[in-house]
Amino acid sequence: DIVMTQTPLSSPVTLGQPASISCRSSQSLVHSDGNTYLSWLQQRPGQPPRLLMYKISNRFSGVPDRFSGSGAGTDFTLKISRVEAEDVGVYYCMQATRFPLTFGGGTKVEIK
Amino acid sequence: EVQLLESGGGLVQPGGSLRLSCAASGFTFSSYDMSWVRQAPGKGLEWVSTITASGNTPYYVDSVKGRFTIYRDNSKNTLFLQMNTLRAEDTAVYYCAKYIRSFDDWGQGTLVTVSS
Repeated sequence: DIVMTQTPLSSPVTLGQPASISCRSSQSLVHSDGNTYLSWLQQRPGQPPRLLMYKISNRFSGVPDRFSGSGAGTDFTLKISRVEAEDVGVYYCMQATRFPLTFGGGTKVEIK
Repeated sequence: EVQLLESGGGLVQPGGSLRLSCAASGFTFSSYDMSWVRQAPGKGLEWVSTITASGNTPYYVDSVKGRFTIYRDNSKNTLFLQMNTLRAEDTAVYYCAKYIRSFDDWGQGTLVTVSS
């Protein structure tokens, strides 16, 4: 199984400042079709998860452009350019290159 | 607008069974793979199962193989998860999600509690 490891576990951020979350996979996430199926999801308190980014760097519909994704192979990053109050929650990376699908353990973003 | 509405959760004793349903609307259900993802209280997300659009091919996480069955009724736009031989560690909120190599739409979830 592909293990997804996120760091940090928690990220206290000042409003308006940037935040960065790392995700590392135990194997390359490059699929035989050439795509890399690495997604980022946000879960606000008391809400179901919501897709933010897919295939590393593609913003899902309605996602603000302060969110960006990057990386390749086994190392990936989600960046928030300027954190807003509505960004508080837990962020998960997820791989869909191979079954079983696996998630990172989550990174909690909170306001200082 | 895509809507996914789960139902069927509740309290069940260890060894018991439950069937979860997910009613879908706002998209062509029969064209999309669908999944179940669960979240134990205070914990992270865990993929449980995915079924292809036709319903022909299911996938499961090892911990539920032989106990859970995913299936769908494309004529009724509904996804199901039959859960048998339930264990305490199956206690979680179960979400259904539309799957296109990522989970782009989610339901609100239904809580399953396995306890005596």
